[in-house]
Amino acid sequence: EVQLVESGGGLVQPGRSLRLSCTASGFTFGDYPMSWVRQAPGKGLKWLGSIGSAALGGTTEYAASVKGRFAISRDDSKSIAYLQMNSLNTEDTAVYYCTREVVLVPAAIGWFDPWGQGTLVTVAS
Amino acid sequence: DIQMTQSPSSLSASVGDRVTFTCRASQSISSYLNWYQQKPGKAPKLLIYAASSLQSGVPSRFSGSGSGTDFTLTISSLQPEDFATYYCQQSYSTPRTFGQGTKLEIK
Repeated sequence: EVQLVESGGGLVQPGRSLRLSCTASGFTFGDYPMSWVRQAPGKGLKWLGSIGSAALGGTTEYAASVKGRFAISRDDSKSIAYLQMNSLNTEDTAVYYCTREVVLVPAAIGWFDPWGQGTLVTVAS
Repeated sequence: DIQMTQSPSSLSASVGDRVTFTCRASQSISSYLNWYQQKPGKAPKLLIYAASSLQSGVPSRFSGSGSGTDFTLTISSLQPEDFATYYCQQSYSTPRTFGQGTKLEIK
């Protein structure tokens, strides 16, 4: 079964850092780009960024709102993707999801499947 | 960035109804459009990819259509388990962007 499990969420004070992990199973993790998406309470989905497969250079891309503050990395030997979040503020309070991007070649049409169950990050003093 | 706009924001319908959701992109995205279903407290679930391809395991009452800037998701006969929020998402370019969602409620 293809599965993603996030961990590392919790309560954190404003200005502090937090690292989330996404552990994958059931597929060849290194072959796929991975993304992080968050959902603030009662709000919609917002893509935060992605990391490409090693074969494609492991390139990272970010939403403008988090670029320079958040960083995505991966350890293919452990099938884990990470989201390092720095200088957190109350607006970062959300459920954070990791998701695999499946890309159909040669058109490069992609979609997110599956998604992890999410991990809640609460930024408060 | 490509803006995705869904309409309506919410919709009330009854079991057995046929419902259609609309998603509009701020520029042409060809068929690079996906649809997700999200139930309260749960992760999003892929329904339709590449505008009209049904994800494996998704009931055939779900269908998608469109290309360019205008897309639709149709549920042919609503079932009780279909009441949820539906999001469209473009994969034409980065940043990947989602619509604001359409909440489907029981009438």
